[in-house]
Amino acid sequence: SQKIEQNSEALNIQEGKTATLTCNYTNYSPAYLQWYRQDPGRGPVFLLLIRENEKEKRKERLKVTFDTTLKQSLFHITASQPADSATYLCVRGGGSGNTGKLIFGQGTTLQVKP
Amino acid sequence: DADVTQTPRNRITKTGKRIMLECSQTKGHDRMYWYRQDPGLGLRLIYYSFDVKDINKGEISDGYSVSRQAQAKFSLSLESAIPNQTALYFCATSASTGSNQPQHFGDGTRLSIL
Repeated sequence: SQKIEQNSEALNIQEGKTATLTCNYTNYSPAYLQWYRQDPGRGPVFLLLIRENEKEKRKERLKVTFDTTLKQSLFHITASQPADSATYLCVRGGGSGNTGKLIFGQGTTLQVKP
Repeated sequence: DADVTQTPRNRITKTGKRIMLECSQTKGHDRMYWYRQDPGLGLRLIYYSFDVKDINKGEISDGYSVSRQAQAKFSLSLESAIPNQTALYFCATSASTGSNQPQHFGDGTRLSIL
């Protein structure tokens, strides 16, 4: 079965540093991966999508990579701020065809200390 | 106003009761989804609907039912609630063009079954 695995341990970093979160997937490479942010008591919010044929995608301070050899995506936040503290979810498409179904990782919690 | 609204936000009830969670959206999306989130687990899909006349089971549909009353409304029912259905429930929507559309989430319903 298709799975998404994220480090369940919280990541604690100092303000200004780069945060790097890891997402590993099993079986065949998905056509795309999505990354979401979730704050306590709130629903996930979409951040970025990266396609299988894209090695890297950037949006402001965010950067996502997609390595089909390692079956891994890395999510980077540069110049991190306390406001970046949240849980980040890695998500893959869940099936073949145009289903729109997603498979979610359990998320990694990032804590940025001032 | 929120694009995806869930009611109620919190609910405490007893085993055996029938419960309905409601979701409405103003995004004009055809696709709607119900997920549950448990600590340490990723979001898991309960049911999804691609239009008003379309209802599909997700990976954990047992014990749940849904109704798509209109394009903008999708409700989730627990016919006879049991304690292991205690969880955070999310409704989401997505556009119907392409399989890689991001999903837009409500802020969830926290359901406790005693």
